[in-house]
Amino acid sequence: AQSVTQPDIHITVSEGASLELRCNYSYGATPYLFWYVQSPGQGLQLLLKYFSGDTLVQGIKGFEAEFKRSQSSFNLRKPSVHWSDAAEYFCAVGYNTDKLIFGTGTRLQVFP
Amino acid sequence: DVKVTQSSRYLVKRTGEKVFLECVQDMDHENMFWYRQDPGLGLRLIYFSYDVKMKEKGDIPEGYSVSREKKERFSLILESASTNQTSMYLCASRPGGAYGYTFGSGTRLTVV
Repeated sequence: AQSVTQPDIHITVSEGASLELRCNYSYGATPYLFWYVQSPGQGLQLLLKYFSGDTLVQGIKGFEAEFKRSQSSFNLRKPSVHWSDAAEYFCAVGYNTDKLIFGTGTRLQVFP
Repeated sequence: DVKVTQSSRYLVKRTGEKVFLECVQDMDHENMFWYRQDPGLGLRLIYFSYDVKMKEKGDIPEGYSVSREKKERFSLILESASTNQTSMYLCASRPGGAYGYTFGSGTRLTVV
């Protein structure tokens, strides 16, 4: 069955530090890949997406993600975290035009 | 700016009540989705719709039904609310083809 794994439930970083959130998927074919962010009490906002082409994709708010086919991964990165980045982050995969499958999320806490 | 609007941010209902959650999108999207979000479980798909009057079961449809009489509106119905349906409910829409979802702000439902 198709699945998405976000192995880190909770991550804490200091403001200004670099960040990497992990995402792995299980499926034979290359899926469409997404990262969403959810601020407290809000819906989900799309950060970035990968469909094909360059495996390093740039998103909003200074985030980027790299698709690695050999590792079935799509990790989210940011070189310098800001306090406003504290939120929950969801990785999602889709196949063709089917529905998205979401990971269980990673909650990011940022210390000053 | 594209928009998905969920009619209520917070709802409190009694066990056994029939509950309607409304979602409206103004983007002329074909596809609409209802998810519930619970801590540690991420987003789980309840129902989705590819077109007016069409509906498909998601991963956890039990205890829910949906209605899509107009393209812009997708309603989630809890036929007889139970306490285990206390959750955050998120509506999303997407145009035909492989694009990311646009989410509403969510409805936090408490069943007492």
